[in-house]
Amino acid sequence: AQSVAQPEDQVNVAEGNPLTVKCTYSVSGNPYLFWYVQYPNRGLQFLLKYITGDNLVKGSYGFEAEFNKSQTSFHLKKPSALVSDSALYFCAVRDMGRDDKIIFGKGTRLHILP
Amino acid sequence: GAGVSQSPSNKVTEKGKDVELRCDPISGHTALYWYRQSLGQGLEFLIYFQGNSAPDKSGLPSDRFSAERTGGSVSTLTIQRTQQEDSAVYLCASSLAVTASTDTQYFGPGTRLTVL
Repeated sequence: AQSVAQPEDQVNVAEGNPLTVKCTYSVSGNPYLFWYVQYPNRGLQFLLKYITGDNLVKGSYGFEAEFNKSQTSFHLKKPSALVSDSALYFCAVRDMGRDDKIIFGKGTRLHILP
Repeated sequence: GAGVSQSPSNKVTEKGKDVELRCDPISGHTALYWYRQSLGQGLEFLIYFQGNSAPDKSGLPSDRFSAERTGGSVSTLTIQRTQQEDSAVYLCASSLAVTASTDTQYFGPGTRLTVL
């Protein structure tokens, strides 16, 4: 069965510093991977996804994520954090070979400190 | 263009009552998903529809929960005999189809359900 783990409930980063939000996954086949963001009192918004091709995926708001097959990871990164990046971030995975639902992680709350 | 809409935005009900939550997907999206987000928790998958059929109902917490979709568009999530543990934000999402290359999900604002 597919699964996704976000090992950190919360990440604190000073404004201007690089940020990383971690995600690892488990699927029987090849994965499709997603990142979503939930700002306070707002719905979830799509950030980026990895389907195939280049392991480094660029998305909205300056975020990017790197697919690492050997480490089964898809960590979200940004070179320079903004206070406005403070939100709840969800990683999600779908098994490429199955007509299956997408599984979401439990989320990581990102706090950018001014 | 219009996004995913959900109604009501807030619902307060008494324990034991039935509630209906509505989701209007983006026009043309054949796939529709329901999730539950409890306070401090992640997204819990409930059910998804491809067209009017629901291939996967495995996430429904109990037989008090049911969902239907008619005309390949609007979906209704019904909770019968609500319990306090049903209190959560119920999120709906839609995507073009349930195929990997097109299943970027677009979420509605959610319905906050409070069971007293």
